[in-house]
Amino acid sequence: GEDVEQSLFLSVREGDSSVINCTYTDSSSTYLYWYKQEPGAGLQLLTYIFSNMDMKQDQRLTVLLNKKDKHLSLRIADTQTGDSAIYFCAERTTLTGGGNKLTFGTGTQLKVEL
Amino acid sequence: DTGVSQDPRHKITKRGQNVTFRCDPISEHNRLYWYRQTLGQGPEFLTYFQNEAQLEKSRLLSDRFSAERPKGSFSTLEIQRTEQGDSAMYLCASSSGLLFSYEQYFGPGTRLTVT
Repeated sequence: GEDVEQSLFLSVREGDSSVINCTYTDSSSTYLYWYKQEPGAGLQLLTYIFSNMDMKQDQRLTVLLNKKDKHLSLRIADTQTGDSAIYFCAERTTLTGGGNKLTFGTGTQLKVEL
Repeated sequence: DTGVSQDPRHKITKRGQNVTFRCDPISEHNRLYWYRQTLGQGPEFLTYFQNEAQLEKSRLLSDRFSAERPKGSFSTLEIQRTEQGDSAMYLCASSSGLLFSYEQYFGPGTRLTVT
């Protein structure tokens, strides 16, 4: 079955880089995602990576995928106070009829200090 | 398009009462999903519709839960005889049926508190 694990907390200083790590179990996952959730707000898709890629860069965000170890990371460069939120890693598996189920980790709370 | 909407945003109910939540997906999306998020956890998949057909249900969806999508547009999630353990955020998401569609768009959620 699918299982996704993340560390619970990360604290960084403003301007530093943040690295959030995730491990997953389903080697058949085609897409892996990073979502952001701010207090009282819904889930916002930050970025995703297709399983045949090793790295994806999108402005301040860099996603690294190690398929052998089933390890995914999200690096946020020049972290700002507005980046303080909970970050969820998710793996996607296919359902009957072509739909997709997302299995989320427990989330990593990122705190950015001045 | 205003995105996925959910109603109500908050619901407080007494144990044993029935509650119903509504989700309006993005208009051209034929796939609709329900997830549940408890405090300190990530969202967990509950069920999935393609048009009006409910194609998959999680084992988390006990007999007290029922979901419908009668005309393939909006969906409702009903919980009968609520228990305190049902307190959670209920999230709805939708996606298109396009071949390389990768994103599920989430609504703001309905927060249920059972007292």
